[in-house]
Amino acid sequence: NAGVTQTPKFRILKIGQSMTLQCTQDMNHNYMYWYRQDPGMGLKLIYYSVGAGITDKGEVPNGYNVSRSTTEDFPLRLELAAPSQTSVYFCASIPGLAGIRELFFGEGSRLTVL
Amino acid sequence: AQSVAQPEDQVNVAEGNPLTVKCTYSVSGNPYLFWYVQYPNRGLQFLLKYITGDNLVKGSYGFEAEFNKSQTSFHLKKPSALVSDSALYFCAVSARDQAGTALIFGKGTTLSVSS
Repeated sequence: NAGVTQTPKFRILKIGQSMTLQCTQDMNHNYMYWYRQDPGMGLKLIYYSVGAGITDKGEVPNGYNVSRSTTEDFPLRLELAAPSQTSVYFCASIPGLAGIRELFFGEGSRLTVL
Repeated sequence: AQSVAQPEDQVNVAEGNPLTVKCTYSVSGNPYLFWYVQYPNRGLQFLLKYITGDNLVKGSYGFEAEFNKSQTSFHLKKPSALVSDSALYFCAVSARDQAGTALIFGKGTTLSVSS
């Protein structure tokens, strides 16, 4: 099993550009999450999904969109990149019943917006 | 609202000495509590969790944590620190009646173990 795979690992964007961060898991997990990590701020939840076709906002969803057309994939879309979106983004998943099982994290995608 | 506090940005300890990384939480109802570790340029790795039962939880790499309901704390401990334990540590919490929502993470504590 590859676990949770994120691409790209690094990306530099110009203000106003758009891009998609890809996240794929091969563990047949129902629950998937996107977090952003900023220095000294911990992890903040952007969006999450409890299954294909179901998504919901987290703590900091503004400027982002997600979709969940399959169990395996949970892409994160940035439509108009802003410097405030410079961060490290982590995708994570669990089989089900969030809060009981531990999260499996990807290696992260480091995004810089200039 | 749920919250997690890690009061120390950094903890410094000499190799071989015991270490403690502090965590306090606030949830409505009974909590699920977790510790994760992050090495440079890597994702978070699960260390241990408290769901129910014995207040002392043992996890990976010799770490353990003690759940204290009266003090709403879940401090991470290790009897003898290693230089390789140097990393960023996160405490996280979820409320039992909110299955389906994500974990809430603390801001993280950098552990530095000197040789």
